[in-house]
Amino acid sequence: DTGVSQDPRHKITKRGQNVTFRCDPISEHNRLYWYRQTLGQGPEFLTYFQNEAQLEKSRLLSDRFSAERPKGSFSTLEIQRTEQGDSAMYLCASSLDVRGLEKLFFGSGTQLSVL
Amino acid sequence: GENVGLHLPTLSVQEGDNSIINCAYSNSASDYFIWYKQESGKGPQFIIDIRSNMDKRQGQRVTVLLNKTVKHLSLQIAATQPGDSAVYFCAENISPGAGNMLTFGGGTRLMVKP
Repeated sequence: DTGVSQDPRHKITKRGQNVTFRCDPISEHNRLYWYRQTLGQGPEFLTYFQNEAQLEKSRLLSDRFSAERPKGSFSTLEIQRTEQGDSAMYLCASSLDVRGLEKLFFGSGTQLSVL
Repeated sequence: GENVGLHLPTLSVQEGDNSIINCAYSNSASDYFIWYKQESGKGPQFIIDIRSNMDKRQGQRVTVLLNKTVKHLSLQIAATQPGDSAVYFCAENISPGAGNMLTFGGGTRLMVKP
């Protein structure tokens, strides 16, 4: 499978616990994005990387959230001290920046449920 | 676009008919628009895109129309098939040149009756 891969597909955790999600983008893509989607809504932008540099973060990304892309390939999104409001689908997308505007290819997401 | 919470607008069409899904976007400065299809349990799948210097673009069985005057985007699907059943989102790029950060609309559920 050469698409965007996310792991795990589902995560159930108790409030206050930390969770970490992983995203493996399409191999030649230099941009990687994290979005969050709640039931019945469109995805909301969280943050993005160009290679290993984190270039933009949404106001939605509180201090409890941290994302990394250490070698410019896979990325991790960590949520510390989870809250019930963090329950959502976390989507990763990647793209190849050619002229600043490019197609995003999304993974199937990680569904987080905070009890 | 507006978020409509749990109650997505639903378009129900007969197999073989044409479908038109509409979207109102929010930022007159947006210059890139995309339609995505999302099936249950999957991430959004790219369908077609259009830049603001165009008003129409055609793909295979799909056409996107852009009306910048009224900030309206539509997706036309010809000869709708059961496999087209999904939620459709329009998205706009509100930060051109600074990464493809997209703002998504609230989605429309398309149901195709066989």
